[in-house]
Amino acid sequence: GENVEQHPSTLSVQEGDSAVIKCTYSDSASNYFPWYKQELGKRPQLIIDIRSNVGEKKDQRIAVTLNKTAKHFSLHITETQPEDSAVYFCAARFGTASKLTFGTGTRLQVTL
Amino acid sequence: ETGVTQTPRHLVMGMTNKKSLKCEQHLGHNAMYWYKQSAKKPLELMFVYSLEERVENNSVPSRFSPECPNSSHLFLHLHTLQPEDSALYLCASSLTGRVGEKLFFGSGTQLSVL
Repeated sequence: GENVEQHPSTLSVQEGDSAVIKCTYSDSASNYFPWYKQELGKRPQLIIDIRSNVGEKKDQRIAVTLNKTAKHFSLHITETQPEDSAVYFCAARFGTASKLTFGTGTRLQVTL
Repeated sequence: ETGVTQTPRHLVMGMTNKKSLKCEQHLGHNAMYWYKQSAKKPLELMFVYSLEERVENNSVPSRFSPECPNSSHLFLHLHTLQPEDSALYLCASSLTGRVGEKLFFGSGTQLSVL
């Protein structure tokens, strides 16, 4: 069935370093891959998304890469700042379904 | 505050109570969702309404009953819940044509079932 695995579950980096979070998906028909950021006590917010016809997308300090052959996609955050501390969720949409399948989340802690 | 508002923010109920969660969006979206967020689990899709028609019912127990009277409002009626139903319930909305994409979430209702 549809499955999205996310690693690591927790990640601690020093301010200014880069952070990478990886997700794998099970269904090769997946065509849409968003990333959501959820700060403590707040709602999840979309930060970047990518479609299956694109291999990489960048928005300032964040980027997402997609490897369709290997069925994995990654979130890259460069020059991390304390306000990047949050839980990050990857997700995948399978075909034209209305359903997003989410990963279990990565708690990122950016230390000074 | 973003355009998706949920009330109440917190709810404590007994197993025999009946309560309702409310969601309202002012973004001009016409697809609305209920998600359940439990500790150390992925966000779980419960229901999807597109153009006020339920298009997804993700094997949710009948003690959860959704209602979508119009494209701006979504309810989740709760009755005879179990302690394992305690979780954060998140409402979201998006545009049809891209159903399932670019979700805008509300702040959620933190539900505790005693």
